[in-house]
Amino acid sequence: SQKIEQNSEALNIQEGKTATLTCNYTNYSPAYLQWYRQDPGRGPVFLLLIRENEKEKRKERLKVTFDTTLKQSLFHITASQPADSATYLCALWAGGGNKLTFGTGTQLKVEL
Amino acid sequence: DAGVIQSPRHEVTEMGQEVTLRCKPISGHDYLFWYRQTMMRGLELLIYFNNNVPIDDSGMPEDRFSAKMPNASFSTLKIQPSEPRDSAVYFCASSPQGGLNTEAFFGQGTRLTVV
Repeated sequence: SQKIEQNSEALNIQEGKTATLTCNYTNYSPAYLQWYRQDPGRGPVFLLLIRENEKEKRKERLKVTFDTTLKQSLFHITASQPADSATYLCALWAGGGNKLTFGTGTQLKVEL
Repeated sequence: DAGVIQSPRHEVTEMGQEVTLRCKPISGHDYLFWYRQTMMRGLELLIYFNNNVPIDDSGMPEDRFSAKMPNASFSTLKIQPSEPRDSAVYFCASSPQGGLNTEAFFGQGTRLTVV
């Protein structure tokens, strides 16, 4: 069956460190993978998209990698800040490209 | 544009009652999605529409759930009769086009509590 898996345990890191979140998928062949941020009481907000032929994508302090052989994407936040604390979700377009399916999300807490 | 607008933000209802959740997508977006989010199951896609036509409702849990999109600016998700296990946050999202390199824009969600 198709699955998109993220670490269910919360990730706690110290301010200034790099946070690394993992997204693994099974039985998908995505051409694109997306990352979203969700704050408590709000809907997910789009952050980054990476294409299958891009190994790495950067946006300010964010970096995403995409390994189609491992079927994995890594999401990095460098120089993390308490304001980065949120839940981060990866997502794939499936079902012929029209069905946006999300992973379970990983909660990140950045501590002072 | 004000973004995707959902109403109500919170809904508390008694078991057996009918519940209707509402969504106004971003103008010009051809795709509309309804999701349900719980701690146990995460964000689940219930149904999506393309140009007001339901395309895939395979995520709708059972016949008690129905969704409509009578025009490009309005959609409803109805639960009749509601049950306590329907308690969750329901999100509506819209996208300018389906798939691949387009992002989805989410509303603030409706927190439904069935007692």
